[in-house]
Amino acid sequence: GESVGLHLPTLSVQEGDNSIINCAYSNSASDYFIWYKQESGKGPQFIIDIRSNMDKRQGQRVTVLLNKTVKHLSLQIAATQPGDSAVYFCAENKNTGNQFYFGTGTSLTVIP
Amino acid sequence: GAGVSQSPSNKVTEKGKDVELRCDPISGHTALYWYRQSLGQGLEFLIYFQGNSAPDKSGLPSDRFSAERTGGSVSTLTIQRTQQEDSAVYLCASSNRGGPYEQYFGPGTRLTVT
Repeated sequence: GESVGLHLPTLSVQEGDNSIINCAYSNSASDYFIWYKQESGKGPQFIIDIRSNMDKRQGQRVTVLLNKTVKHLSLQIAATQPGDSAVYFCAENKNTGNQFYFGTGTSLTVIP
Repeated sequence: GAGVSQSPSNKVTEKGKDVELRCDPISGHTALYWYRQSLGQGLEFLIYFQGNSAPDKSGLPSDRFSAERTGGSVSTLTIQRTQQEDSAVYLCASSNRGGPYEQYFGPGTRLTVT
C-alpha cells in the first residue's frame, strides 16, 4: 500500500543552526509534494511545494529536495528560529487524484 | 484578509448524538477539503468538493459521515450517531484551484465524544 513516513519523529536544534527534516514516500506515482508547518492549536500552514519534475526548490529560508530514485523528500530550514518550532508534515499527491497523503509529522523544537 | 474559518472550535458530545461542523472557506476558492487528524497523527482525507462537480467522498470512513457544500461556499460535515473513535480534530481547507495545489487550512474543530 501507499505510505508517507518520516525518519525522525522529533528533532531538536539550536537557534541559528540549520534544520533538516526528512520524509520517505513509497508511491512512485506521486508527482506533487507539499511541506506543511503546524503550530499547536492551529491548522497546517503551507511552507513549500515541489513537483516531481524538479529536484530542488527554494523559498525564504527553506529548501525542499526531492530524490525520486530513493523516494525521499527533505525540508531544510536555514538559521532556525524559535518561531520555527512546530510539527512539520510532508504530503504527497498523485496528479490523477484529489487525495493528499500525509505523514505523521516531525516535531521540531528550537532551543534558544 | 480573511482565512478559512471553522466552527465550533471545540465540541463535546455524548456517544450516539449527531454533530455538525461548519467550514467557511476563503471567498472565491472553488475547492474545499475535509480532513481528520487524530492525536499525534497525520491528516486523513475525508472528502473533496470542487465547484459544481460531484464530491469525492472516497475518504469518508463510514456512512455515518456526510458533508454538503451549499452554493459553492460554506460546507457542513455531519457525523451521525457519534462514536468515541470519532474524537479528533476536523480540519477544513480550501484552494483557489482544483487538484493538487496549495491548500489553506482552517484552525480546526476539536471533537470529543464522551
